[in-house]
Amino acid sequence: GDSVTQMEGPVTLSEEAFLTINCTYTATGYPSLFWYVQYPGEGLQLLLKATKADDKGSNKGFEATYRKETTSFHLEKGSVQVSDSAVYFCALTLSNDYKLSFGAGTTVTVRA
Amino acid sequence: DGGITQSPKYLFRKEGQNVTLSCEQNLNHDAMYWYRQDPGQGLRLIYYSQIVNDFQKGDIAEGYSVSREKKESFPLTVTSAQKNPTAFYLCASSISFTGELFFGEGSRLTVL
Repeated sequence: GDSVTQMEGPVTLSEEAFLTINCTYTATGYPSLFWYVQYPGEGLQLLLKATKADDKGSNKGFEATYRKETTSFHLEKGSVQVSDSAVYFCALTLSNDYKLSFGAGTTVTVRA
Repeated sequence: DGGITQSPKYLFRKEGQNVTLSCEQNLNHDAMYWYRQDPGQGLRLIYYSQIVNDFQKGDIAEGYSVSREKKESFPLTVTSAQKNPTAFYLCASSISFTGELFFGEGSRLTVL
């Protein structure tokens, strides 16, 4: 079935460090890809998305590029802040499918 | 402000009791969803509803029930048949299905 695999955490970084969270997917068709973020004590919120190959999603300094050849959608940020401490989820959905499949989540902690 | 309201935020239940989690949205979204979140497992879909008076089972529907009598409301009942109900439950909604979900803040259920 369709699924997402993301790097296991937890990840601990210092402020201004570079962050990468790997995400790869398996899908029978051409999925749309998403990154969601969950701040402590809150629900999830959409961070960015890409709907076709080579699309780049970006928001709040985060970027991810839809790579069909490597079936990947890695999340990157060049300089993290303490406020970026959260759990990050990679997710996919196929067209006309109401199911959004999530990865296991990666916990990121940024220290001052 | 528009959004999704889940209640209660914390709930304790004795074994053998049914409990109902409330989810209300004022975003005028057609679709609503219930997810279960367990540590290290990401989010798993319990039930979803595309329109009023219609809903479909997700990946882990056993031991749960829902209703969709109003567009704004999608309550989830955790029945005594659910073998391992202790978890964090998240409700979400979307305009249609594009993968862009809006989440509530969640309800944490603990079975004593």
